[in-house]
Amino acid sequence: AQTVTQSQPEMSVQEAETVTLSCTYDTSESDYYLFWYKQPPSRQMILVIRQEAYKQQNATENRFSVNFQKAAKSFSLKISDSQLGDAAMYFCAYSLGGSEKLVFGKGTKLTVNP
Amino acid sequence: GAVVSQHPSRVICKSGTSVKIECRSLDFQATTMFWYRQFPKQSLMLMATSNEGSKATYEQGVEKDKFLINHASLTLSTLTVTSAHPEDSSFYICSARFGSYNSPLHFGNGTRLTVT
Repeated sequence: AQTVTQSQPEMSVQEAETVTLSCTYDTSESDYYLFWYKQPPSRQMILVIRQEAYKQQNATENRFSVNFQKAAKSFSLKISDSQLGDAAMYFCAYSLGGSEKLVFGKGTKLTVNP
Repeated sequence: GAVVSQHPSRVICKSGTSVKIECRSLDFQATTMFWYRQFPKQSLMLMATSNEGSKATYEQGVEKDKFLINHASLTLSTLTVTSAHPEDSSFYICSARFGSYNSPLHFGNGTRLTVT
C-alpha cells in the first residue's frame, strides 16, 4: 500500500524567510502524482502545487517550489518569502496514475511569525 | 474557476438521528466525487468514491449502511450519516474532479458534524 510520511508535525518561519516542509512516500509504482495541499483555519483544502512523477523538472508556482527526488522518494515543499497568509496546515498527498484516490500525509502545521 | 460547494458547514444532531450532507459541483459536471473524513489534528481519510448513476465504492473499514452515499446527478452527491453516534462526530469533506483523471481535485469547505 502507498504511504505518505510527513515527519514534521509543526514548523515555524519568520515572515519573508524561506521554509522547507518534508515529505517522503512509499510506492512501487512508476506512474503517479504528488501534491501539496494547504488547509488554512477555514478548513478549505487548497492545491498549492502538483508534480507528475515522470517529469524530472521540479514544479514551481510563484513562491512555492518542490524538490522532487524520485529515487529517494522525497517530495519537499519550499516556501520562499513567507507571508502571514501562508500559515496553515500543509498536507503532502499521492495519487496513483489513472487512479483518482488521494493518499494524504498527516500534515505539517506551519506558523509564520511577524 | 471550478467550485465545489458543501452544505451545511456545521450541524449538530442528537444521537440516533440521521444527517445528510450535500456536495455540489457548481460550474462543472462531476461523474465522480470523493468523501473524506478528518479527525481533529489528523489527516484526511478517504471514506468512499461516489459514482454518478451507480453504487459508491467504499474504502476498507467504512460501513456502507452507516454512511449512505447517493450521487443522483452530475452535480450532486450526498452523504447521509445514519443513526449517528458521538463517535461519528468529525469533519467531513467532499471533493470533485474537473476534467480528466489527472486534473486536480477541488474540495468543498467541509462539514463539521457534532453528535450529542
